[in-house]
This record gives sequence, structure tokens and C-alpha cells, in this order.
Amino acid sequence: EAGVAQSPRYKIIEKRQSVAFWCNPISGHATLYWYQQILGQGPKLLIQFQNNGVVDDSQLPKDRFSAERLKGVDSTLKIQPAKLEDSAVYLCASSFPQVSGEAFFGPGTRLTVL
Amino acid sequence: AQKITQTQPGMFVQEKEAVTLDCTYDTSDPSYGLFWYKQPSSGEMIFLIYQGSYDQQNATEGRYSLNFQKARKSANLVISASQLGDSAMYFCAMREPFAGNNRKLIWGLGTSLAVNP
Repeated sequence: EAGVAQSPRYKIIEKRQSVAFWCNPISGHATLYWYQQILGQGPKLLIQFQNNGVVDDSQLPKDRFSAERLKGVDSTLKIQPAKLEDSAVYLCASSFPQVSGEAFFGPGTRLTVL
Repeated sequence: AQKITQTQPGMFVQEKEAVTLDCTYDTSDPSYGLFWYKQPSSGEMIFLIYQGSYDQQNATEGRYSLNFQKARKSANLVISASQLGDSAMYFCAMREPFAGNNRKLIWGLGTSLAVNP
């Protein structure tokens, strides 16, 4: 079974530039998560989708971050414009929606904002 | 209020010994799931073990076991016979119902485990 795919793996941009990350979840997983993980900290949920609907985006900085999940499968996360403090690893995960469904994580995208 | 608490920022253990990583949680819902993940320095997040709130027995997966004490709202991870490769960050997480049938996955801050040879 293929895992969660993410691209790119690494990205270096200058502040005020824009960037986009792509995630392809495990087939059949209705729930998709985007997390931001700053070095030395735990993952912070940015947005959670159930199929193509948003379940929780309370911690998404909506003035600069946006995310979509077209057709309930792939998802993209965009930052525009980027700030220095956005430097982090962006993790995508997917799961079945039930309580027992563990989240499977992709390899992450390491973003460096200069 | 923090829903998942991991009180040990860092832990050390000698190789081949057992170690317990603490996790307490807070929820008012009777249906929830508890997860432990491992994150080595390479960055990938690896699922270790799951415990459901209605499960009668403590979960076990190889060298990992979960000491689930429901009344105390604790779900401690026990790693037996530690190996050097167990050195990593360990995260406790909880899934609880949120907004109808949707469920949030809530994370603790993690415990850094170092296994000494």
C-alpha cells in the first residue's frame, strides 16, 4: 500500500515570496491533516479536512495561509506571502475518520524562509 | 486547557532497560482513542500503538505496551528492553469527537528519549 506522498521535500524561499505544498493521502482515507512542526516542538494542526470539507482550521493564519482539497483526495497548502517564522516542516497526514484510525504521515516538506 | 500533557521533556535510559513515558489526557467524551508516535531525528512520524477508551485490556505491540489507567486519565507508554534505535521524540495524541461525526487529533508536546549504550 502506498503511503502519504508529499512534495517538494525541501524548499528555500525569501520572505514575502509565495510557496505551495502538495499532498496525496492514502487511498480511501477521508481525513487529511496539515501540520506545521517547528524544530524542537510538537506538530501544530493547521487544518483538518473530512473529504473535501474543512473540519478545523482554527489555527490556520488565514491572512497568509490557504488550503484546499479538491474532490476529497489531493490537497495543497499555500503560503503567500511567507514570513521568516514560517520556517518549519510541513507534515501532511491522512486517516480513516473513526476514533481508532491512526494517522499516517508523509515525509514532510522542510521550508526555509530567508 | 491543555488536553494532552507530557510532563517529561527529556528522558534517559540505559540500553536493554525498560522505560516509561508519561501521558495524561483530559476529555469529557466517553469515546476516544489514544495514540503514541515516534519521531526519530530523520523527521518521519511513526505510529507505535493505539488504545481505545472502551478497550478492556492494555494495548501491546512488540516491545511497546500502553499502561492505560482510565480513572486517572493516563496512557503511559512502556518500552521494554530499550535499544539504541529507540532514541527519538515520542508524542502522545488523542482523537476525540468534534463537531458531530468529525474527530480532532490532539497532540502533546513530546518527550525526547535518549538511550545510552
